[in-house]
Amino acid sequence: EDQVTQSPEALRLQEGESSSLNCSYTVSGLRGLFWYRQDPGKGPEFLFTLYSAGEEKEKERLKATLTKKESFLHITAPKPEDSATYLCAVQARQGAQKLVFGQGTRLTINP
Amino acid sequence: NAGVTQTPKFQVLKTGQSMTLQCAQDMNHEYMSWYRQDPGMGLRLIHYSVGAGITDQGEVPNGYNVSRSTTEDFPLRLLSAAPSQTSVYFCASSRDRGKQYFGPGTRLTVT
Repeated sequence: EDQVTQSPEALRLQEGESSSLNCSYTVSGLRGLFWYRQDPGKGPEFLFTLYSAGEEKEKERLKATLTKKESFLHITAPKPEDSATYLCAVQARQGAQKLVFGQGTRLTINP
Repeated sequence: NAGVTQTPKFQVLKTGQSMTLQCAQDMNHEYMSWYRQDPGMGLRLIHYSVGAGITDQGEVPNGYNVSRSTTEDFPLRLLSAAPSQTSVYFCASSRDRGKQYFGPGTRLTVT
């Protein structure tokens, strides 16, 4: 069974304090790993897709990396507007369209 | 483009009542999905569709029906609402089974 575990559940940082969020996964043949950002009361917003181990993608203060067992979302010098819940999801090669999500990491950046 | 739209935003039902959550997209996407999001559980797939006239079950389909008569619309029907169906419901669409665009969500309470 495909599974995704995210850690920590919640993380509180000071503005400018860099850190990383973890997404550990087990999947029967990875087609893609996805990162989403979700603000309170809103739907998830797409950030990145990673397809193979060693791949990295960047967007502003965020960088996502992928290994064969886990993905990291690195946040460099975060600002209060980066506060959100970050969701990780995997898609198996055999699945028609089934994304399996982790429970998310709730990130708070204090000014 | 409006993207993915969902109605209503909020709904309160009594146990045993039925209702339909509406979802529409204007991006001509073939793939559409319904998820529910509960605290600490992440997003779980209810039903999905790979094109008009084709639907399939996800992880938690019991108590829900779907149909896909057009590319644009993918309504979710609750047949006989139960308190366990209290949740936030998200509809999503995608072009190629990868990156998904989510709607703003419907917050449903069943008393």
